[in-house]
Amino acid sequence: QVQLQESGPGLVKPSQTLSLTCTVSGGSISSGDSYWSWIRQPPGKGLEWIGYIYYSGSAYYNPSLESRVTISIDTSQNQFSLKLSSVTAADTAVYYCARHSSTSSYFDYWGQGTLVTVSS
Amino acid sequence: DIHMTQSPSSLSASVGDRVTITCRASQSISNYLNWYQQKLGKAPKLLIYAASSLQSGVPSRFSGSGFGVDFTLTISSLQPEDFATYYCQQSYITPQTFGQGTKLEIK
Repeated sequence: QVQLQESGPGLVKPSQTLSLTCTVSGGSISSGDSYWSWIRQPPGKGLEWIGYIYYSGSAYYNPSLESRVTISIDTSQNQFSLKLSSVTAADTAVYYCARHSSTSSYFDYWGQGTLVTVSS
Repeated sequence: DIHMTQSPSSLSASVGDRVTITCRASQSISNYLNWYQQKLGKAPKLLIYAASSLQSGVPSRFSGSGFGVDFTLTISSLQPEDFATYYCQQSYITPQTFGQGTKLEIK
């Protein structure tokens, strides 16, 4: 059973860079049948796909965030990471990492989520 | 981007009721439509994929249908644990997009 766990600071100052890491256990991040994803949810609101990365390092981003987002992968550590620059209060959200099945095209495994608040 | 619109946004129902939630895509997405259930403070859980396929372990009272632009999620007989928020999601093209959610509450 694949498990994902987000980690990183819960508070980030405006204009700084939000950095989160997702650690995958119970399966290899180098599996060719998965895209490793970040999704966020502002408090009380809906879900927004941020982007995902393949084990090869190919990444795909939501155009609405593309200028500020970088997703990277470390196959040796079975981890992938999110960096979101120039954050504002609008970036306050619960950030989830998730596995996207490339063969079946859905998000089937999710981390528990981590709340990141942008505030001075 | 493909815009996903769910209706209703909220719904009150009783245990044992049959409930239907609809999702409409702004353009055809074939059957690249998934449904998720989210309980308060938890991550979403995949219920239905490819419009009508039941994810392993999900009770058979959940079913999905549709193709193209119009889709439905049906719960045949509501159980207490089904009160949650439901989201549709299209995986036809990136950016993958979600509906705004339907909150299912106890009447």
